[in-house]
Amino acid sequence: DAGVIQSPRHEVTEMGQEVTLRCKPISGHDYLFWYRQTMMRGLELLIYFNNNVPIDDSGMPEDRFSAKMPNASFSTLKIQPSEPRDSAVYFCASSSRGSSVEAFFGQGTRLTVV
Amino acid sequence: SQQGEEDPQALSIQEGENATMNCSYKTSINNLQWYRQNSGRGLVHLILIRSNEREKHSGRLRVTLDTSKKSSSLLITASRAADTASYFCATDEAGNMLTFGGGTRLMVKP
Repeated sequence: DAGVIQSPRHEVTEMGQEVTLRCKPISGHDYLFWYRQTMMRGLELLIYFNNNVPIDDSGMPEDRFSAKMPNASFSTLKIQPSEPRDSAVYFCASSSRGSSVEAFFGQGTRLTVV
Repeated sequence: SQQGEEDPQALSIQEGENATMNCSYKTSINNLQWYRQNSGRGLVHLILIRSNEREKHSGRLRVTLDTSKKSSSLLITASRAADTASYFCATDEAGNMLTFGGGTRLMVKP
């Protein structure tokens, strides 16, 4: 398996534009997590899915953020409209059994909103 | 929110020395994990220790867990320049999701 695959690796967008981040988890993993990493706030869990169903989205900062998992092999995180304070590295991770086993992280998407 | 807190925030040592990083957490856990992040990369799992274990080894890594003190330590022995990275602890305090601490930035000078 190629691991968790995220795209794009880098995204620069103007304030107010819609941004869509994509993630392909490891095949067979039932859990998918979206994290955001900034210098100020560290690694924050935004939302996680189990069997394609959103379980906890309490970390989603605002209604501008939404996430979907239409099938077991694909998830998106959308920001609309984007703001400069959304600039961060966004990570997707997957695991086979939630937090009881190791999580595998993608390489991240570095988002810059100007 | 961050549950685990690492200490120190930054550590600089010479190659060959040992590096010790500590992590504290707030509530009960089933397991605690350590991850490494190289600059500009994703996190890589290093080791998982369960709440009924006190110590675990993996190569040059040694992890201890003290549930009475709600703390863990990661020891890297005979450090190498390639060990330069940020190290994070993560717990399952919040259930089925991992919550991460702020990390320790380790620099190993050749």
